[in-house]
Amino acid sequence: ETGVTQSPTHLIKTRGQQVTLRCSSQSGHNTVSWYQQALGQGPQFIFQYYREEENGRGNFPPRFSGLQFPNYSSELNVNALELDDSALYLCASSPELAASEQFFGPGTRLTVL
Amino acid sequence: KNEVEQSPQNLTAQEGEFITINCSYSVGISALHWLQQHPGGGIVSLFMLSSGKKKHGRLIATINIQEKHSSLHITASHPRDSAVYICAVRSLKTDKLIFGTGTRLQVFP
Repeated sequence: ETGVTQSPTHLIKTRGQQVTLRCSSQSGHNTVSWYQQALGQGPQFIFQYYREEENGRGNFPPRFSGLQFPNYSSELNVNALELDDSALYLCASSPELAASEQFFGPGTRLTVL
Repeated sequence: KNEVEQSPQNLTAQEGEFITINCSYSVGISALHWLQQHPGGGIVSLFMLSSGKKKHGRLIATINIQEKHSSLHITASHPRDSAVYICAVRSLKTDKLIFGTGTRLQVFP
């Protein structure tokens, strides 16, 4: 059974650019949540996808958008990057929407210069 | 004020010491999670609790729903326990996880 994977592991962008981060959920999992973790902080919920539909969104501006594919893998897109977007972006999958436990990927560390 | 507060923020211990990390929350919850994050960034789930106490090896987690408080204990600590320990609660209102800022533990030989 393959765990949650994320790509790329590290990324450097400049202000104003756009970025796409990818997440492959654990086999059999149909729910993916994305989190932003700034240095020294706990993760903050960005949004969640369940069976290709957005199911809840945290306090993030519209330039943070996402997508879930029929195989339940997911993308996080961030437009017009700002310096404060520099963070570790984590995705987590769970087998069902109602499942309490989430399985986290290793994260993508984004640096915006 | 954060909805999930952890203490201490940083903790240093000698190998073999008994360690306690505390978590208090102010929202209604359906479950509380204790997570471990190593320097590489990956997060591992240690416990999920909705009541009482759970034990796994040298780790023990307790929760007091009335007091909105949970503790994570590590017995006979070891340098490999060095990591950031994060408390997260699943909000009854939003059904989403709210995370504490973590406790950074360093265990020295």
